[in-house]
Amino acid sequence: DQQVKQNSPSLSVQEGRISILNCDYTNSMFDYFLWYKKYPAEGPTFLISISSIKDKNEDGRFTVFLNKSAKHLSLHIVPSQPGDSAVYFCAARVPGSNYKLTFGKGTLLTVNP
Amino acid sequence: GAVVSQHPSRVICKSGTSVKIECRSLDFQATTMFWYRQFPKQSLMLMATSNEGSKATYEQGVEKDKFLINHASLTLSTLTVTSAHPEDSSFYICSAHPGQRGAETQYFGPGTRLLVL
Repeated sequence: DQQVKQNSPSLSVQEGRISILNCDYTNSMFDYFLWYKKYPAEGPTFLISISSIKDKNEDGRFTVFLNKSAKHLSLHIVPSQPGDSAVYFCAARVPGSNYKLTFGKGTLLTVNP
Repeated sequence: GAVVSQHPSRVICKSGTSVKIECRSLDFQATTMFWYRQFPKQSLMLMATSNEGSKATYEQGVEKDKFLINHASLTLSTLTVTSAHPEDSSFYICSAHPGQRGAETQYFGPGTRLLVL
């Protein structure tokens, strides 16, 4: 049972425009959500996170929005740059789980120059 | 800060041999380390959680006798793939968590590509 879902396997946007990556979850016990960026043959790199008690967190070009009632979060990247091209993973944590994360399947973002 | 290394980055071995992969947290102490594997175009699949000084906790479906995990110190965890077979070929990634309150993220190593011939 996939508790964290990224329904779009890929997304293509033009440089300078906004990229919106979506993530849905089913477990209402998740208390923290994180986004990771991954290049091929490398480990994931942490991008930004949000606590379940917040609805928005912003860090430079990256903003994460959380809609708890819809069990949905999204990552906005603006403006998008070619170097942002990578696979983006959404992850969620269950409290008391020894910091375990549950990952979505990822979305491949391609930013075209 | 928060750098995690893995060694080797790539290994090719013959079927039936054992392969050890090391995961080190270079600038922090990791009370908890995690081992994942990733198949092409798939998500990260958690294999086990490793706590320093205690036995690893394996996820359902992961053979603990096949994938031996040792977390001997606060900066080192090892994964040994025993009697490797071609179906064990995969990308193995470790992550480390500092265990500090408020540190919500895991820090990932660069991964190890294992190819079993």
